[in-house]
Order: sequence, then C-alpha cells, then structure tokens
Amino acid sequence: DVKVTQSSRYLVKRTGEKVFLECVQDMDHENMFWYRQDPGLGLRLIYFSYDVKMKEKGDIPEGYSVSREKKERFSLILESASTNQTSMYLCASTGQQNTGELFFGEGSRLTVL
Amino acid sequence: TQLLEQSPQFLSIQEGENLTVYCNSSSVFSSLQWYRQEPGEGPVLLVTVVTGGEVKKLKRLTFQFGDARKDSSLHITAAQPGDTGLYLCAGDAGNTPLVFGKGTRLSVIA
Repeated sequence: DVKVTQSSRYLVKRTGEKVFLECVQDMDHENMFWYRQDPGLGLRLIYFSYDVKMKEKGDIPEGYSVSREKKERFSLILESASTNQTSMYLCASTGQQNTGELFFGEGSRLTVL
Repeated sequence: TQLLEQSPQFLSIQEGENLTVYCNSSSVFSSLQWYRQEPGEGPVLLVTVVTGGEVKKLKRLTFQFGDARKDSSLHITAAQPGDTGLYLCAGDAGNTPLVFGKGTRLSVIA
C-alpha cells in the first residue's frame, strides 16, 4: 500500500521557535510538495521539489524553507515560527511531474502560540 | 495566475438528495482532477478527466469535463452520510504544479 508519512500529526510551538516538519514517501516518486490548508483559502503551495537537492518556490514561500537530501524525504522548515503560520500542513508526492495523481499525507496541524 | 473557482463553498443536504458541485475557470486545462478529503485525512484522488466533454462515473458520482476544458462538475445522486467531506478540484495548467480550487465542504445529514 503506497504511503506518504508525515512525522507529526499535531504540534504546538511558541513564537520564534524553529520547526521541522518531515515527510517520507515509499513510492520512489521524484516530485514532492508542501501545502498549507486554511479554512476559506484552500490548499496553497509553499515549496516543491522535482529531484534530490532541488527546490522551487510555490505561491507562498515566505517564512519557510525546505530540504531534500534524499529522494524519499522532503522537509519543511519554519526558521522562526509566527502565529500566522498556525495551519494544517500537507505533504504530497507524485511520480508524474505536475500532472499525475497526488498522494497526500495525513497532515500536520501546527499551532504557534 | 490561473484560478479555479468552486461553488458552492458549503453545502448541507439531507440523505437521499442529489447535488452538483461546480469548478470553473477562464483558463483551459489539459486535465482536471477531483479529490475528496475526509476530516483528519489528506485528500484522495477520485477521478481525472482529460478530454473535453468527457463524462466519468464512480458509483453514485458523475464527473463531467466541459467541452472547452475550462470547467467541470461533480454530481452526486442520492447522497449518503459517507459522502461528507471536502471536495477539491485541481487543474493541470501545463509546466506548473496543479492549480487547486478552494473546495466545497459537503455535509450529508442522516
């Protein structure tokens, strides 16, 4: 059974803390994505990666960075968390660049106090 | 920036009723995907439509891609509580990641 696993389902952090959200997929996909999901705003793309060591900015990259050291792992980093980064974060992967079925993780709900 | 507008944003209906959700754009898409997201889970792909005018059926769900490939609809017949969730459309615009609509939140009451 194919799977995208996000390391934490729920996190509570304080303003200014550094936050790591990990995502691992077992499907050997080249393409991985990080979205945040907020009520009324839908899914917004933060960063994506088409290959190891490669990263591209999405629609809302400010305040975030990413790391793709291995093909199966794509990490989202909040260098200094702020309250407006409280959100649901979704990781996804696909074997076909831009067009294929996206496989999503269960999401990481982050609360920044 | 290509946009997908979904309507309605919220829908609450009784079990057994029919409903239609719309996904519209002024842009042409190569293909369009529909996802359903249940509470506490990530979205899961329901269907991909590729050809203008295409109709696909998945049990009680009927998906249609507009002739001009700018819009799509999802029709559910005899809705059941298990259909409750967030329905998202996503379009393939070419050399960019999928463009997502904001979703339609459906609640089916028993």
